[in-house]
Amino acid sequence: DVKVTQSSRYLVKRTGEKVFLECVQDMDHENMFWYRQDPGLGLRLIYFSYDVKMKEKGDIPEGYSVSREKKERFSLILESASTNQTSMYLCASSPRGGEEVGSYEQYFGPGTRLTVT
Amino acid sequence: QKEVEQNSGPLSVPEGAIASLNCTYSDRGSQSFFWYRQYSGKSPELIMFIYSNGDKEDGRFTAQLNKASQYVSLLIRDSQPSDSATYLCAVNRDDKIIFGKGTRLHILP
Repeated sequence: DVKVTQSSRYLVKRTGEKVFLECVQDMDHENMFWYRQDPGLGLRLIYFSYDVKMKEKGDIPEGYSVSREKKERFSLILESASTNQTSMYLCASSPRGGEEVGSYEQYFGPGTRLTVT
Repeated sequence: QKEVEQNSGPLSVPEGAIASLNCTYSDRGSQSFFWYRQYSGKSPELIMFIYSNGDKEDGRFTAQLNKASQYVSLLIRDSQPSDSATYLCAVNRDDKIIFGKGTRLHILP
């Protein structure tokens, strides 16, 4: 079974702090993704990565950065946390897609509920 | 037009009946289609994926795809109270997945 783990289930940080969210997958997947999920807004893609040291902006990258130094690990960084970044953060991984299917299924970690006060 | 549209619900279905969840998408170039289940406070869990027109069955679940109508559906037979959750339809955009906002399903005991 695919396993995606995230470093914390719950996190409380203060405004202005630098926050690191870690994600590790054990299935040798090429692709990794960071989403946030908010009521009424659904899942929104923040950043994704196709390979080590590669990153691509998603739909809402402002205020975030990422790091992928190893294939199995993808980190999300909030440089200076703000209250509007209070959310559920979800990491996912998938095999690399191809011409015929576009994208393969994504597997999610348990999520980190971040509160910024 | 939203990329992936679902009725937010709630959809209430009696226990033992068939639950029918629907989804439309806007990109005719989409090739892969997914259904996820999400319980309150939990992360999305993959139920099924479908790449070809027609039906795909897995246990009590059937995914239906009609690319000409840009329509995907999920049927849940013999609905159980444990099926009560939010169901997310997802469609690929190139090599990313775009998620709908989900339909809340409530199975009535």
